[in-house]
Amino acid sequence: SQQGEEDPQALSIQEGENATMNCSYKTSINNLQWYRQNSGRGLVHLILIRSNEREKHSGRLRVTLDTSKKSSSLLITASRAADTASYFCATIRRTGGGADGLTFGKGTHLIIQP
Amino acid sequence: EPEVTQTPSHQVTQMGQEVILRCVPISNHLYFYWYRQILGQKVEFLVSFYNNEISEKSEIFDDQFSVERPDGSNFTLKIRSTKLEDSAMYFCARTTWTGELFFGEGSRLTVL
Repeated sequence: SQQGEEDPQALSIQEGENATMNCSYKTSINNLQWYRQNSGRGLVHLILIRSNEREKHSGRLRVTLDTSKKSSSLLITASRAADTASYFCATIRRTGGGADGLTFGKGTHLIIQP
Repeated sequence: EPEVTQTPSHQVTQMGQEVILRCVPISNHLYFYWYRQILGQKVEFLVSFYNNEISEKSEIFDDQFSVERPDGSNFTLKIRSTKLEDSAMYFCARTTWTGELFFGEGSRLTVL
């Protein structure tokens, strides 16, 4: 089954710096999504990028997708302490409320040092 | 405000006991999911539920698990005879037509 794997597993940076996380997957996808999870909380959807898109922005977030390399990156610019969380990429084969559940990676634990 | 509300937030149970976790959608959606996250590990898909029927289930979702929507509103996950390894956070989620998931805050299950 397809699987997103994030890299690095953990990342610690200073507040104000940019944070980049990468995700690799194995099979063809319709879209790739990024989620954030604060400790002990539910996952929050951040951004979705479709397979025919190469880059997408949302506020301080920038996501890229390279389907030839089966990889994606999430960039958080001007990081803040509140960005401290785990970040997961997730893939799905079908859209339209399809039957396939999302497959999540193990996540990147991001720590923003004040 | 979460898209779905889950209860209980935390449940402690003895091994072998039955557990029912509940999910209440804020709005009227037909498609729901249950996911599980063992402490420190990845979020794992359990089951999807569409229009009162199981749509897809993973290998984790064995005969010990069941889902139903008993009153057309609440969406429940039942574990018949809990095992130690069932200790985890259980998340309910609903989906948009593009496949984005909106998760509840989760129910933490501790099996002793």
